[in-house]
Amino acid sequence: EDKVVQSPLSLVVHEGDTVTLNCSYEVTNFRSLLWYKQEKKAPTFLFMLTSSGIEKKSGRLSSILDKKELFSILNITATQTGDSAIYLCAVEAGGNEKLTFGTGTRLTIIP
Amino acid sequence: EPEVTQTPSHQVTQMGQEVILRCVPISNHLYFYWYRQILGQKVEFLVSFYNNEISEKSEIFDDQFSVERPDGSNFTLKIRSTKLEDSAMYFCASSDQGARYEQYFGPGTRLTVT
Repeated sequence: EDKVVQSPLSLVVHEGDTVTLNCSYEVTNFRSLLWYKQEKKAPTFLFMLTSSGIEKKSGRLSSILDKKELFSILNITATQTGDSAIYLCAVEAGGNEKLTFGTGTRLTIIP
Repeated sequence: EPEVTQTPSHQVTQMGQEVILRCVPISNHLYFYWYRQILGQKVEFLVSFYNNEISEKSEIFDDQFSVERPDGSNFTLKIRSTKLEDSAMYFCASSDQGARYEQYFGPGTRLTVT
């Protein structure tokens, strides 16, 4: 069974801090790993990673994949209160279209 | 910016009743999905749909569930006889031919079965 594990489950930091969120996976025939931000309702797409070692960047957010060690990290620098959300990691594997999600990391930014 | 829309935002129904959840995927997308998230739990895959047929479904998606694309824009999820444990947030998602794995989610329908 495909498995996606995120850590930490919850993180509270002060505005301006840098955070690193972790996602490890055990899947058959890995295809891609996706990061989503979930605020009140719908997960909002952040990044899709398919290749090891290539950093994807969008503003203060960046992410990288390690296919040898089977994990990805999501970095957020100079955090703002608007970054408070649940960050979801999902993996697509085996040529199927379904995404297998982790439980998410709840990030809270204190002003 | 194009987005996936879902209606209703909240549906309350009695156990045993049929419900239909509606989604309008992004217009040029060809792959459609339903996921659900029980309160406090993971987002779980239900079904994927392409070329007017189901391409994959999970164990959750039993005979009580069905999906349909009745016209060129809507994508629906029907639950024939709702159970208390069907209470969850149901998300529709869609993706493009050229980026199948980059799925965009709608705002969800909160289904409450009483």
